[in-house]
Amino acid sequence: AQSVAQPEDQVNVAEGNPLTVKCTYSVSGNPYLFWYVQYPNRGLQFLLKYITGDNLVKGSYGFEAEFNKSQTSFHLKKPSALVSDSALYFCAVRDKANAGKSTFGDGTTLTVKP
Amino acid sequence: EAQVTQNPRYLITVTGKKLTVTCSQNMNHEYMSWYRQDPGLGLRQIYYSMNVEVTDKGDVPEGYKVSRKEKRNFPLILESPSPNQTSLYFCASSSGLAGATYEQYFGPGTRLTVT
Repeated sequence: AQSVAQPEDQVNVAEGNPLTVKCTYSVSGNPYLFWYVQYPNRGLQFLLKYITGDNLVKGSYGFEAEFNKSQTSFHLKKPSALVSDSALYFCAVRDKANAGKSTFGDGTTLTVKP
Repeated sequence: EAQVTQNPRYLITVTGKKLTVTCSQNMNHEYMSWYRQDPGLGLRQIYYSMNVEVTDKGDVPEGYKVSRKEKRNFPLILESPSPNQTSLYFCASSSGLAGATYEQYFGPGTRLTVT
C-alpha cells in the first residue's frame, strides 16, 4: 500500500522568510510525486511534480521541491514567502506501475503573516 | 478552455435517495478519479478509471459506484446515500499516454449534504 505523510498540520512563517512544507511518502515501485495547492473556497491547483531526472524541481509561483530517494521525502520550499501563499497544501504520490491510483497527504495549512 | 466540470456544485439530499454527480473533461484525458475531502483527512480516492470501461477501487469505495462509458464523462453514483457521505467531492483527470506526467486537473468540487 502507498501512503503520504505531512507531519505538520500548520506552518506559520513571516512574509519574506523562507518556507518549507514537509512530505514523506511510501510506495512499492518508482514514485511520481506532486504538490497541489488549495486556496479558500476554491478547487485544487497543480504546483509541481517529480517524475524522473533532476532531484530539484521548480514549479509555479516560485515554489520548488527536492526529491530525496534515501529519505523518501519531497519537501516543498520557497525562498521568500508572500502573504498570498497562505493556503492548504497537499503532497501526493502515484506509483509508476499503477499510475491510476493516487494517494494524498492530509494537508498542511500555510499561513504567511505580514 | 481546458477544464473539468462537475454538477451540481451544491446538493442537499435525504438518506436513501439515489443521486448522481456528473463529471466531464474536455482534455481527452485517459485517467479520471473521484475524491472526497473531509477536514483533517486530506483527499481520499474513491474510484479511478484508466480508460473507457476500465475502473478500479480507490481507498474508500464503499457506498459509491462509477461508470466510464465515454472518455470524457465519469459520473459518481450514490445508490443509497447516508449521512457519513456528507463531504466535499472532487473529480480529476490526467493524461495517461506514454510519456505523460500524470498531474491532475481538478473540477471545482461538489458539496454534498445528506440528512
